Amino acid sequence: DIVLTQFPDSLAVSLGERATVTCKSSLGVFYPSDNKHFLAWYQQRPGQPPKLLIYWASTRASGVPDRFSGSGSGTDFTLTISSLQAEDVALYYCQQYYTTPPTFGQGTKVELK
Amino acid sequence: EVQLVESGGGLVQPGGSLRLSCAASGFTFSSYWIHWVRQAPGKGLLWVSRINIDGSHTSYADSVKGRFTISRDNAKNTLYLQMNSLGADDTAVYYCVRDGHCTTTSCFGNWFDSWGQGTLVTVSS
Repeated sequence: DIVLTQFPDSLAVSLGERATVTCKSSLGVFYPSDNKHFLAWYQQRPGQPPKLLIYWASTRASGVPDRFSGSGSGTDFTLTISSLQAEDVALYYCQQYYTTPPTFGQGTKVELK
Repeated sequence: EVQLVESGGGLVQPGGSLRLSCAASGFTFSSYWIHWVRQAPGKGLLWVSRINIDGSHTSYADSVKGRFTISRDNAKNTLYLQMNSLGADDTAVYYCVRDGHCTTTSCFGNWFDSWGQGTLVTVSS
């Protein structure tokens, strides 16, 4: 199975500041035939199910604010929140869908400083 | 609006069985692959199983293979998960999840674009 490791496990950011979460894959998730990276990001607020934020490593899902962006290639990917809002306090997970089983990172907790 | 409503969770003794259901609405159920993803209390996400649009393809995590069976009834817009030989490690919230990518019988690459609220399964004596 592909192992995804997220850094850091938690981070505290002031309102309006940038938050950056990193996801490192044990194997590359780029599929040349589609020219895409098979990686997604999710947000899980307390007591809620996860919500899709990003797929194909950098495509925002419908309705996701543009302060959320995804980037990266090969085995290293980043989720950036450009200007943290109070409602962004949550757990964030990366997920690869290059192989079966699809696997998730362990999660990164984003809190307010 | 896409809705996925799980039911059937509860307390079950080790070695017991449980059948989860997921009622779908707000989209053409028969056009989407559907998954089960679980989350143990205070832990991360674990993909459990998937089924393609007509039920001809299913897949399972190694930890549940041979014990769990996924199925669907497209006429009833409902997904099922039959869980047998349950152990304490199966204690989790089980989410019914729509695939964001696959809408044909054969597909490669599953991300998850809509999640139900989940149903809690507790395995304990």
